[in-house]
This record gives sequence, C-alpha cells and structure tokens, in this order.
Amino acid sequence: DVKVTQSSRYLVKRTGEKVFLECVQDMDHENMFWYRQDPGLGLRLIYFSYDVKMKEKGDIPEGYSVSREKKERFSLILESASTNQTSMYLCASTSFRGRGEKLFFGSGTQLSVL
Amino acid sequence: KNEVEQSPQNLTAQEGEFITINCSYSVGISALHWLQQHPGGGIVSLFMLSSGKKKHGRLIATINIQEKHSSLHITASHPRDSAVYICAGPSQGGSEKLVFGKGTKLTVNP
Repeated sequence: DVKVTQSSRYLVKRTGEKVFLECVQDMDHENMFWYRQDPGLGLRLIYFSYDVKMKEKGDIPEGYSVSREKKERFSLILESASTNQTSMYLCASTSFRGRGEKLFFGSGTQLSVL
Repeated sequence: KNEVEQSPQNLTAQEGEFITINCSYSVGISALHWLQQHPGGGIVSLFMLSSGKKKHGRLIATINIQEKHSSLHITASHPRDSAVYICAGPSQGGSEKLVFGKGTKLTVNP
C-alpha cells in the first residue's frame, strides 16, 4: 500500500516562528501537493510539485514556500507563522501517468499558531 | 477555473437507507475523484472515474460527462459510513491541480 507520512499530527507554534511541515511518500510518485483544510472552506491547494525542484503555486501560496530536493519528500515552510495559518495541513501524492490518477493523502498536521 | 458544488451539505440517514450525494462541476474534466474523511482521520480516495460507473462493495459512483454531474451512492448504509464525502475535479480540463467541493457530512444512525 502507498504510504504518505506527515511528520507531526499536532503542532503548536508561536507567531513569527519559522515552521517546517514534512511529507514523505514511498511509492515513487511524481506529483506531490500541500493543502490546507478549514471549516466551511474545504480543501485548498497551497503548492504543487510535479518533479524534484519543480513547483507551482496553488490557490493560496501567500505566506508559504516549499522545497522538494528529493522525489519522496515535499516540505512546506511557513517563513513567519501567523495566527491565520492555524489550520489542518494535508499532504497528498499521485503518480503521473496521463491524467486523473488516484490521490493518496497523509493523515494531516493540525497546526495551531498562538 | 472549475467550480465544484456538492449537495447536500449535511445528510442524516437511518441504518439501511440508500444514500445519494451529488456533485456538479462547471468545466469539462478528464476525471473526477470521490474521497472519504472520517472524523479526526485522514482522507481516503474512494473512486477516480472518467466515465460511466464504478462499484466497490456498497459504494457506487457514477458520472455523466455531458451533464457535468457525478453521484455517489451508498446502499444499505451503516453507522460506519458516517464521514465527510468530498468530490474533486481538475481546476482546468486535464490539470493535475484539483478543486474540491466543500464536502457532504453524512451521519448514519443505528
């Protein structure tokens, strides 16, 4: 079975801190995604990576950056955490074989910024 | 950009009932995803379909490409089916980036 692992289930940080969220997948998937999920807003794409060192902005990239130095690992970075970044963060991956491959999600990181 | 709408937002059913959740989208797409999220749990992909119908156990997903509409059906519903069900489609045509519906919260009472 494909496994997408997020480094932390719960995280509490202070305003202004630099925050790293890590995601690792074990199925050699090309595509990796970072989403945030907020009540009433659903899932929104922050960043997308389709290959090592390649990235594209999603719908809400402001305040975030990403890093993909190895195919299996995709990191989300909050340069200076703010309270409005309190949210559930979900990583996902999928293989690229044409369009519309099945998505695999990590279990999520609930981030609280105080 | 594609817009994905789900209905209903909330659904309460009695065990054994037949459930239907609807999803409509605005832009022609290559495939549509149905996902399941249990309370406090991660998201699991149920189906990815580009035409016709798919079945897995008591779950059936259908899609009508011309009408830009998909449905998720649950037969003989059970309390363990209680979850949020989410549909998602490409933001533009065959894009890798997905747009998600806001989800349907299903509660099945014993």
